[in-house]
Order: sequence, then C-alpha cells, then structure tokens
Amino acid sequence: SAVISQKPSRDICQRGTSLTIQCQVDSQVTMMFWYRQQPGQSLTLIATANQGSEATYESGFVIDKFPISRPNLTFSTLTVSNMSPEDSSIYLCSVSPGQGYGEAFFGQGTRLTVV
Amino acid sequence: KQEVTQIPAALSVPEGENLVLNCSFTDSAIYNLQWFRQDPGKGLTSLLLIQSSQREQTSGRLNASLDKSSGRSTLYIAASQPGDSATYLCAVRSSNTGNQFYFGTGTSLTVIP
Repeated sequence: SAVISQKPSRDICQRGTSLTIQCQVDSQVTMMFWYRQQPGQSLTLIATANQGSEATYESGFVIDKFPISRPNLTFSTLTVSNMSPEDSSIYLCSVSPGQGYGEAFFGQGTRLTVV
Repeated sequence: KQEVTQIPAALSVPEGENLVLNCSFTDSAIYNLQWFRQDPGKGLTSLLLIQSSQREQTSGRLNASLDKSSGRSTLYIAASQPGDSATYLCAVRSSNTGNQFYFGTGTSLTVIP
C-alpha cells in the first residue's frame, strides 16, 4: 500500500495567479499521476510524472498551463498557472506501487476555487 | 478508447438494506478493475481491487464481482449503514493503452437512517 500526503487540502485563488500543489508518498514509486475532477464530473488524467524525465501530458493538457516537477521518487508538484474560474476543480495525485499496474492509491485531493 | 459507465447515477436506500452498484466497460482487455469511495470534496479511498483473472473480491460487508467477457462489475454492499453514504467510483486499467486508468462517473449513495 501507499500513504499519500497532498497539500494544500483547499485554496481560494485570484484569477491570473498560480498555485502549486504538493504530493508526498511514504514509499518510492516510479510513476506518479495527476488527475483533475471538475464539479460533478469523474476523474480525468492530466499527466504522468516519472522521476528524472519530463512529464507525459494527456490530450488537452499542456506543460505551460500545468507544469510538473518530480525531483525524487517520493515527491511531485503540480502547478496550475494563470488560473481562471474554469480551473476550479479537485486536483488529485495518485500512485500505483510496483510496476504501475497494481492497486492505485490517491491523496486526499486539493479543492481549488478560482474567483 | 475505454468507456466506463456506472448505473444508477444516484441511489437512496433505508439503513440495513442490501444494495448493488453496477459498472460496465466497453473493452474487455483490462489488467484490473478497482472500486473506490469518495466523500464530498475529498480524495479517493480504495475499496477493492479485482485482477483480470479473478471473479470476485470481498472485504467486510463489500463484495465485488467481475465478468470480464461481458464487460461488467458489480459492487454489493450488505446491511448498509448511514456511514456508507458517499460516491462510489469504478475504474478499469486498460491493457490496450498501457497502464492508464479509466473512471466511471460514479454512483452517489445515500443511506437513510
């Protein structure tokens, strides 16, 4: 299993600013995943973060808007840049220990409101 | 692309009732299927993981089944309690697209005391 600590748990931000979300795992993992959950919707994968390489972004998500860092095997950050009200969502990080095909574990999420 | 559907979208039951949540997926080439619970505004808590070679998994009052060939899974909750009120999500890890997870839209469960 894995225990994930995600910070902040919630924030209210002004339009045009940026917010960095941190994700700390209690064990070393190869891949970390960042998801977005818009109000009333299910989860959508933003990107996969591997240590030592550039993150891989899904269709519709770009590095300039959602830059990701992965400095080591237990930590990652996601930045939501130049925010607009449409970015108001829950952002979640996730890991699957082992080869990445097993059980997935999630952080408690960051509830972002952009005003 | 894998599509995951959950029915019903919302369910309200009296305390003590047994209930079944349904999940269907379009591509049977999966590594596994996982059921999660999500409380309002919170992250996901893993409930049960079923590997593609398994037919069911049990944990306490929860039992999940998997029929990979027909693209279906069910989550059975026995003797429901008000604390079970949450949104339940199923997700499949599709082997045709690497290890990507595809999520259903969830079933919002309310257990009435």
